[in-house]
Amino acid sequence: AQSVTQLDSQVPVFEEAPVELRCNYSSSVSVYLFWYVQYPNQGLQLLLKYLSGSTLVKGINGFEAEFNKSQTSFHLRKPSVHISDTAEYFCAVSYTGGFKTIFGAGTRLFVKA
Amino acid sequence: NAGVTQTPKFQVLKTGQSMTLQCAQDMNHNSMYWYRQDPGMGLRLIYYSASEGTTDKGEVPNGYNVSRLNKREFSLRLESAAPSQTSVYFCASSEGDPGREKLFFGSGTQLSVL
Repeated sequence: AQSVTQLDSQVPVFEEAPVELRCNYSSSVSVYLFWYVQYPNQGLQLLLKYLSGSTLVKGINGFEAEFNKSQTSFHLRKPSVHISDTAEYFCAVSYTGGFKTIFGAGTRLFVKA
Repeated sequence: NAGVTQTPKFQVLKTGQSMTLQCAQDMNHNSMYWYRQDPGMGLRLIYYSASEGTTDKGEVPNGYNVSRLNKREFSLRLESAAPSQTSVYFCASSEGDPGREKLFFGSGTQLSVL
């Protein structure tokens, strides 16, 4: 069975500092990995996804994530955050032909001035 | 570009009341989904519809029914609401390989059951 663990429920960080949001997954089959962002009172939007190929994936708004198969991780990073990055971030895992995308519990990123 | 539209945005019910959450997408997607979001639990799949005319259970289907009315519309019904169904509900859609393609989400329905 697939599962997703986001290791931090909340991450406070100062503006212009780097940030890493951690995600680990477990699966017995090859997976696809996603990061979604949810701004207050909105639905989720895709930040980036890993399907295959290069393990470093670049997304929107300056975010990137690295797929590490040996450590079953897909951590999200940004070198310099802005106040506008304050949101909740969800890691998710799926597989080809699968309708049941599994989401992590979410990490609330709070960027302070 | 409307994308995925959900109604209503907010709803308060009393225990035992029924209601239907509506969802429509204008992107001609085959697959549609209903999720619920609870604090500390992320999103959990209630039901999904792979294509018009088909529906299947997700992770937490108990207490819910769905109807895929046509390709555009996918509704979620609570027949007898319970306080445990207090949550934020999201409809989503996708195209192509459902595992590979991103989900497009609506803006959510905040439901409180008293």
